[in-house]
Amino acid sequence: DTEVTQTPKHLVMGMTNKKSLKCEQHMGHRAMYWYKQKAKKPPELMFVYSYEKLSINESVPSRFSPECPNSSLLNLHLHALQPEDSALYLCASSQRGQGVEVRTYEQYFGPGTRLTVT
Amino acid sequence: KQEVTQIPAALSVPEGENLVLNCSFTDSAIYNLQWFRQDPGKGLTSLLLIQSSQREQTSGRLNASLDKSSGRSTLYIAASQPGDSATYLCAVGDSGGYQKVTFGTGTKLQVIP
Repeated sequence: DTEVTQTPKHLVMGMTNKKSLKCEQHMGHRAMYWYKQKAKKPPELMFVYSYEKLSINESVPSRFSPECPNSSLLNLHLHALQPEDSALYLCASSQRGQGVEVRTYEQYFGPGTRLTVT
Repeated sequence: KQEVTQIPAALSVPEGENLVLNCSFTDSAIYNLQWFRQDPGKGLTSLLLIQSSQREQTSGRLNASLDKSSGRSTLYIAASQPGDSATYLCAVGDSGGYQKVTFGTGTKLQVIP
């Protein structure tokens, strides 16, 4: 199973709402990522979790709050978003190897959540 | 800061043609390079991954090469088909332990039947 699932597929929320995006993988990967992608632009890295610990935060505003409750699950909590936060939010995972020989870090992506902030 | 550029930004070719997509990166200290395709409004599908120690990888009609010293990678697609129409993205993984990835600007490919 090389699948990364994301829910919901689409989300419309107001600027005062609180919502969460969910990402799940069962490939035993120990690194998980959140990306934001605006129309006609490449994905931009937001957060990286490695072994359920936040490893990289690319200066993302605090209205985005990531959470990694276990090795298979990654959440992105949203609060007080702005219309410019409307985008496709992509989750990915990769294997963090145990030795120099094993470290491929090939990233597998989910289908994304299309977020619209009104 | 790593910068990744893809040329051309868009490409339209007749079915059956062989084609080459280009990816350039500014910092040669990379760990790996991955090629993806993305259909409109969809997630990314991994096509090929090349480790920094490798020169090329092949999968079916796809061949990707890597020249780290010159900061370049190419994706060769043989005998293109309409189903190959998509946006192709290269992504450079840095040598850090947490795999920070920088994506290229993308090439939008249209294969005309």
